[in-house]
Parts: sequence; structure tokens; C-alpha cells
Amino acid sequence: ETGVTQSPTHLIKTRGQQVTLRCSSQSGHNTVSWYQQALGQGPQFIFQYYREEENGRGNFPPRFSGLQFPNYSSELNVNALELDDSALYLCASSGRTEYNTGELFFGEGSRLTVL
Amino acid sequence: QKEVEQNSGPLSVPEGAIASLNCTYSDRGSQSFFWYRQYSGKSPELIMSIYSNGDKEDGRFTAQLNKASQYVSLLIRDSQPSDSATYLCAHEPGTYKYIFGTGTRLKVLA
Repeated sequence: ETGVTQSPTHLIKTRGQQVTLRCSSQSGHNTVSWYQQALGQGPQFIFQYYREEENGRGNFPPRFSGLQFPNYSSELNVNALELDDSALYLCASSGRTEYNTGELFFGEGSRLTVL
Repeated sequence: QKEVEQNSGPLSVPEGAIASLNCTYSDRGSQSFFWYRQYSGKSPELIMSIYSNGDKEDGRFTAQLNKASQYVSLLIRDSQPSDSATYLCAHEPGTYKYIFGTGTRLKVLA
């Protein structure tokens, strides 16, 4: 069984640039959720993708956007990067049911530094 | 009021002791609760999920849930230095997102 994989693992960008982070979900999972974790904080929900559509969004501006592909993999795009966007970006996959998201299994994360 | 409250620690316990980690949450409608372990520089790893009031045991770990008191805890028996990590409490308030606490840092002293 393949776990959740993310790429790239580390990247450095400058303010105003754009970044794309990628995630492959765990085998058998149909849902991908993205979280942002700043240093010393718990993960904060960005959004969730189910059946290739955004299903729920946290308190993040529209410059955070995403996609889910037919194979359940996903991308997170962030435009017009700001210094505060520096964080660990976590992708999690789960087997969503009618009643809940299911247990989240996280990838290793993409650590973004914005200079 | 924070949605999920955890003591940030560090909580220091000697090797072999029981570590007790606590979490309170504000949403009475939550049905799903989770404990994650996160080593420094790594991603969170699911340890336990609990959905019903009472205790759930898995090896050295026991999760306890009291929905009336909006309280969930994690006990780690026979603590080992390898248990030293940050433990994140999370719940799913029925909106398809998890809400995480800021975590409790546990240090197990050899």
C-alpha cells in the first residue's frame, strides 16, 4: 500500500511569486485535504477536495487554490506569496464517507520559505 | 475561546512512567476525535481515533473521551524516550475539516 507522497519537500520563494505543491493520495482514498502548519502551531485547514471539487474551505484567501485529479492526486497553488505564507504545507488523504472525512493520513509535507 | 485547548508543555515524565495528555474542545456537536504524534520536523502521525464515550486502548496508548465534559485525553503507559514528541489533539465538528490544538510537547527522560 502506497502512502501519501508530497513534492517538493523544501522550497524557497520570494514575495509575490507563485508556488504549486503536489500530493498523491494513499491507495484506496478518495479525498485530499490540505493544511498549513506554522512553527509552533497546530495544522490549520485550508480546503478539502472530494470528487475533483472543493468541499469545504478554511479561513484562507482566494490566492490559495487547488485541484484534484481523477486519480485523486491534488495540487495546492498559492499566488502572490507573502512572508506569512512560510510554513509546512501538509496534504492528508482519507476515505470519506457520507458521515465524515475519515481518518486523515498525512504526507511528509512541503516546507515553504518565503523571503 | 480556542476551539481546541491543550497545555503546550513541556510535560516531562521519567522513562517507564505514565504520561497523561489532556485536551478540551468547544464544539458539543463533534463526534470524531483524534490524537496525532508529531516528531520535530516531521508530519503528524495518527495514533488513536475515538468516537464513543469511554476508553479505547491500543497497545501502550489509551484514549479517553467524555463528551459531556468536552474532554479527551491520551494516556501513554511505560513511556519511552522514543515517545518524546508533540502530541496533537484534533476533532471533526461535522464540517469535513479537522480542528487541531497547538499540541503538547512530551519529554520522556531516560
